[in-house]
Amino acid sequence: GAVVSQHPSRVICKSGTSVKIECRSLDFQATTMFWYRQFPKQSLMLMATSNEGSKATYEQGVEKDKFLINHASLTLSTLTVTSAHPEDSSFYICSAREGGESYEQYFGPGTRLTVT
Amino acid sequence: AQKVTQAQTEISVVEKEDVTLDCVYETRDTTYYLFWYKQPPSGELVFLIRRNSFDEQNEISGRYSWNFQKSTSSFNFTITASQVVDSAVYFCAPQGGGGNKLTFGTGTQLKVEL
Repeated sequence: GAVVSQHPSRVICKSGTSVKIECRSLDFQATTMFWYRQFPKQSLMLMATSNEGSKATYEQGVEKDKFLINHASLTLSTLTVTSAHPEDSSFYICSAREGGESYEQYFGPGTRLTVT
Repeated sequence: AQKVTQAQTEISVVEKEDVTLDCVYETRDTTYYLFWYKQPPSGELVFLIRRNSFDEQNEISGRYSWNFQKSTSSFNFTITASQVVDSAVYFCAPQGGGGNKLTFGTGTQLKVEL
């Protein structure tokens, strides 16, 4: 089956620093990747959708200057949390889809970010 | 916009009991997909099922079964003879609308005890 990896799985950073999270599709080419955020005991909330070679489309309320998304290749998308603050501490999950609407999204294992 | 309601926040059962997790959704799309995912304590989402809105046949996969009632916009999930390893948070998620996004419900925490 399709595999999506995320790196790192856990990261602790100091307030004010930036942290980059990678999402890779290992055995397929992902035309679309999605980034979700999940606070403890809450649901997954879609942050943004990115198509390879295009600018990401952010959901309402998500600061695009704070959460920089790059989808430079068909197998890699990155999420950079800039000037992180403790309230950015969360579980970030990416998913990848090979094609259009009839294709499934495959989820990565998630990255737990803690900002101290 | 889509909306999904998982009214059961937490369910506790004893091993070997059957348990049904409810899911009611709202959508303006005429065609859409419905998903169920399992999220164990490790956090990684596990895909369970994808159902096309045109296909109203119930489905069984081992101890899992799904009841899709389009008339009531429900897509309920039943685990038969539950096991401790079934303990997890279960999410129902319709997919549709512009961009074909997944909309996750609030999830149901299932605890299966010995």
